Amino acid sequence: QVTLKESGPVLVKPTETLTLTCTVSGFSLSNARMGVSWIRQPPGKALEWLAHIFSNDEKSYSTSLKSRLTISKDTSKSQVVLTMTNMDPVDTATYYCARISFSSITFDPWGQGTLVTVSS
Amino acid sequence: QSALTQPASVSGSPGQSITISCTGTSSDVGSYNLVSWYQQHPGKAPKLMIYEGSKRPSGVSNRFSGSKSGNTASLTISGLQAEDEADYYCCSYAGSSTMVFGGGTKLTVL
Repeated sequence: QVTLKESGPVLVKPTETLTLTCTVSGFSLSNARMGVSWIRQPPGKALEWLAHIFSNDEKSYSTSLKSRLTISKDTSKSQVVLTMTNMDPVDTATYYCARISFSSITFDPWGQGTLVTVSS
Repeated sequence: QSALTQPASVSGSPGQSITISCTGTSSDVGSYNLVSWYQQHPGKAPKLMIYEGSKRPSGVSNRFSGSKSGNTASLTISGLQAEDEADYYCCSYAGSSTMVFGGGTKLTVL
């Protein structure tokens, strides 16, 4: 069974850097046809794709947030880490990680999500 | 990467069929057969319902179907059931290894 679980702070202050970890099980981050994506959803709003990383370390970022995002992976720990710098209250959202298929470019399955609030 | 356009809401009675549209551009929906649809119940993580425009993952009811014409993809749900009430999001590959979601559609089963 494939599962993903997000972890990280529930509260960050404006201007701080957010670090989120996605721990996966049931598949390997070295699987050539799979990767992990990060997606967020502000309260009551739509989903927004942020970034993804594949087994060959190929990375891609949302154009609008590229300057603030860094994605990396530790295959031995089955973890993918997303950092977002200069956090702002508008970044308050539930952050999800999801497995992404290289061929069909689909997100399946998703983690349960973690709500991050940006407030002083 | 502008968000794909979806109607904010749609509704239907049990047993009826509804269709949710997802309009993009020639740079995303129109260029690739890589549109997926996700169902999200309140407080839950999204669930993949359709991929590559019209394919259903194992376990998804055949009442869900997808199609595409030009820059617009569509999700059709037939034989509407109360459990289908949820938010639905489309997503498309947008080139250069980037993705774009739609604004979401709230489905109400009357």
